[in-house]
This record gives sequence, C-alpha cells and structure tokens, in this order.
Amino acid sequence: DSGVTQTPKHLITATGQRVTLRCSPRSGDLSVYWYQQSLDQGLQFLIQYYNGEERAKGNILERFSAQQFPDLHSELNLSSLELGDSALYFCASSAGQSLVDTQYFGPGTRLTVL
Amino acid sequence: GENVEQHPSTLSVQEGDSAVIKCTYSDSASNYFPWYKQELGKRPQLIIDIRSNVGEKKDQRIAVTLNKTAKHFSLHITETQPEDSAVYFCAASKGSNYQLIWGAGTKLIIKP
Repeated sequence: DSGVTQTPKHLITATGQRVTLRCSPRSGDLSVYWYQQSLDQGLQFLIQYYNGEERAKGNILERFSAQQFPDLHSELNLSSLELGDSALYFCASSAGQSLVDTQYFGPGTRLTVL
Repeated sequence: GENVEQHPSTLSVQEGDSAVIKCTYSDSASNYFPWYKQELGKRPQLIIDIRSNVGEKKDQRIAVTLNKTAKHFSLHITETQPEDSAVYFCAASKGSNYQLIWGAGTKLIIKP
C-alpha cells in the first residue's frame, strides 16, 4: 500500500457524460500527478499539481481538467466522454515539486465508457 | 522533445535465467532514469533509478546500467523468479523541472 488513495475504484458511464475522479496523496506529499493507461498501453502523463498550483502539463485533452485543493487532494474531471477515454487512470504523489522525485502511485480508477 | 524507446515489448525467460530490458533516449541532456514495475492489476512502483553521474547501480538481483555516449540504459534482472513477472517501464528526465518521459513498457514473462 503506497498511501495514495483513489476513488472510485471502478466507474462505468456513457458517451457524452462527465465524471470526476478523486485522489488523496500520501501524508506530507505536496505533488499530485495524473496518468492515463489504456489497455495494454504505457503510462501517459496528463498533469502535475504542486501545493495547489499546476506545475507541469503533459498530453492532457482540453476535455479534461484537474485541480488540487487546499487539503492537497486532487480531482480529475473528464467531460464529453468518448469510447476512447476508457482506461485506467492513476494518481501518484511525491514529496516535493521536483519532477524527478519518486512517485508513489495509487491503485487507479478504471473508467469504462459505453 | 525527448523520446524514450523501450525494447523488447515482450520478453520471456526461463526461471533462474537473466533478463535485460533496454531503453534509448534522444535528449543528451537527460540525467535521471528510473525504472518502475507494474504487476498485473496493480500500481506501478519504483524499483531502481540512476542518475547520469554514475554508470551502474545495483540492488540485490536488479541493476541498471547507463551509457551516456550511446544514450541508452538497461535494466538487468538476474536469477529471475516468478514474482519478477510484470510490466517494466523505463523513463527519462532532464532534471527537476522536466517531466518524466516514459517508455512503452516491457512485459516480462518468467517461465517455470
């Protein structure tokens, strides 16, 4: 157990809908990262937040947005969902703002878009 | 921008044999190279990393080697065991202000 929690574990929804994924980092970690992992694919970095501010942006679609709240938990919002958005979404956290700090991954949220 | 290529995509080895996974990177300024292991249905976890000021790092049965001239780094697993079966991801970064660029992953299968 890495100490990073994600909810929900599974999410099934329809095309065109909007969902919110939630992540709580390890105690004391200030950075949160979001990744997308499609079936049998690698990890696609979406975005990093550090202490409430956006720190780095990867291949995040305009339909997707994220934020980190004062209590350091983070939410990833996915809107106008398409079939291709079906994937495992991981959250990770690290201690500082450095993008090369060790990242501790959560268990993931599996999103299925029907 | 940086690009990381990982080979092979699938590797099958006999239990007890060694396994080697190789990654090449394009940006010579990259100086940090971690390896993450993802067991089936589980989260990725850091298993070893290396910085560009060293050429090799070992941790029990796993080691990582770095060839800065050729711009490649490799993961070596000796005396493989069933629990080594997983997908292994390499990554590269130019430093603390630069995101990790991930390889596509290698599925390692340990045959009994």
